[in-house]
Amino acid sequence: EADIYQTPRYLVIGTGKKITLECSQTMGHDKMYWYQQDPGMELHLIHYSYGVNSTEKGDLSSESTVSRIRTEHFPLTLESARPSHTSQYLCASSELREDPINEQFFGPGTRLTVL
Amino acid sequence: GQNIDQPTEMTATEGAIVQINCTYQTSGFNGLFWYQQHAGEAPTFLSYNVLDGLEEKGRFSSFLSRSKGYSYLLLKELQMKDSASYLCASLDSNYQLIWGAGTKLIIKP
Repeated sequence: EADIYQTPRYLVIGTGKKITLECSQTMGHDKMYWYQQDPGMELHLIHYSYGVNSTEKGDLSSESTVSRIRTEHFPLTLESARPSHTSQYLCASSELREDPINEQFFGPGTRLTVL
Repeated sequence: GQNIDQPTEMTATEGAIVQINCTYQTSGFNGLFWYQQHAGEAPTFLSYNVLDGLEEKGRFSSFLSRSKGYSYLLLKELQMKDSASYLCASLDSNYQLIWGAGTKLIIKP
């Protein structure tokens, strides 16, 4: 079954720790995305990728990095976590084609709490 | 600037009809999406409109007016499971989705 997975689902860590949020998809999608979403708020694009070895910055990218070594895998790394990073992180993927529809499929999310 | 506006919260009665409005201003336009997001879960795709008019899909319909920068999602025969947030998102000229904050729909018996 084609799907998109995120681990961990929940994470509580202390300030200053380095963390990596994992995201994998089995749909063979070229485009992948990382979003940050606070409760009741809009999704903010952190990073995205058009395919292997492609990474682009979104609106909130300054404190995190991503890599895309394999099509199916798109991990997000926070070098030094801060309480302001407490949020839900959603990974998504879509086909590369831009017309007529570019539906994004979302993973279940990682809820991060930084103490 | 780019902006998506939709009401923060709406309440409706089980079995009734509700219309959730969305206005958008984006750099270019390549379509308008509606997603459903239950509390604590990921968004799931509901509809996509790129041409003016109404698209019907079962109990859900979505309308688009490009000249007015306006869309609505129409939900008929409301069920309790329809209680969720409904996210409007516009695909801009770079094929990036610009998201609204979502409309929390509360269904009462």
